[in-house]
Amino acid sequence: EAGVAQSPRYKIIEKRQSVAFWCNPISGHATLYWYQQILGQGPKLLIQFQNNGVVDDSQLPKDRFSAERLKGVDSTLKIQPAKLEDSAVYLCASSLGASSYNEQFFGPGTRLTVL
Amino acid sequence: DQQVKQNSPSLSVQEGRISILNCDYTNSMFDYFLWYKKYPAEGPTFLISISSIKDKNEDGRFTVFLNKSAKHLSLHIVPSQPGDSAVYFCAASEVYSGAGSYQLTFGKGTKLSVIP
Repeated sequence: EAGVAQSPRYKIIEKRQSVAFWCNPISGHATLYWYQQILGQGPKLLIQFQNNGVVDDSQLPKDRFSAERLKGVDSTLKIQPAKLEDSAVYLCASSLGASSYNEQFFGPGTRLTVL
Repeated sequence: DQQVKQNSPSLSVQEGRISILNCDYTNSMFDYFLWYKKYPAEGPTFLISISSIKDKNEDGRFTVFLNKSAKHLSLHIVPSQPGDSAVYFCAASEVYSGAGSYQLTFGKGTKLSVIP
């Protein structure tokens, strides 16, 4: 079974530029998550989708971050414009359902460096 | 405010000995606790979990203990192997009323090094 795919794996941009990350979850997984992991910290949830609807985006900085999950499968996370403090690893995860008891499977992440 | 705390950034253990990783939490609404393991350049992978109605869960070499009154959980690895060297994250979840979002709150992680 293929795991969660993410691209690109690495991205370097200058502040005020835009960047987009892509995630392809495990087939059949209805729930998709985007996490931000700053160096030395644990992952922090940015947004959670159930199929193509947003369940929780309370920690998403909506002035610069946006995410969508068209057709309830792939998802993209965009930052526009980027700030230095956005340097982090962006992790995508998916699960069968939204319950705590549904294991979340993580992708390898995209490491973003903002100069 | 950190709701899930892992106060030891790193831990070194001799191969074959026991590794004990600790985690404290402050939110009494957390009802499900998980441990994730992370190798460099990979995403975290689920290791073991425990519900708040239990005080112990065991899976092979891995055992998680939960002390609700102390708001403390620990992960025991016995015996420790060099392949266990990784960063271990403690995570907890609570049920948000109404929204149905089971958000995971992660600690900062503990880097375990198992020395051959």
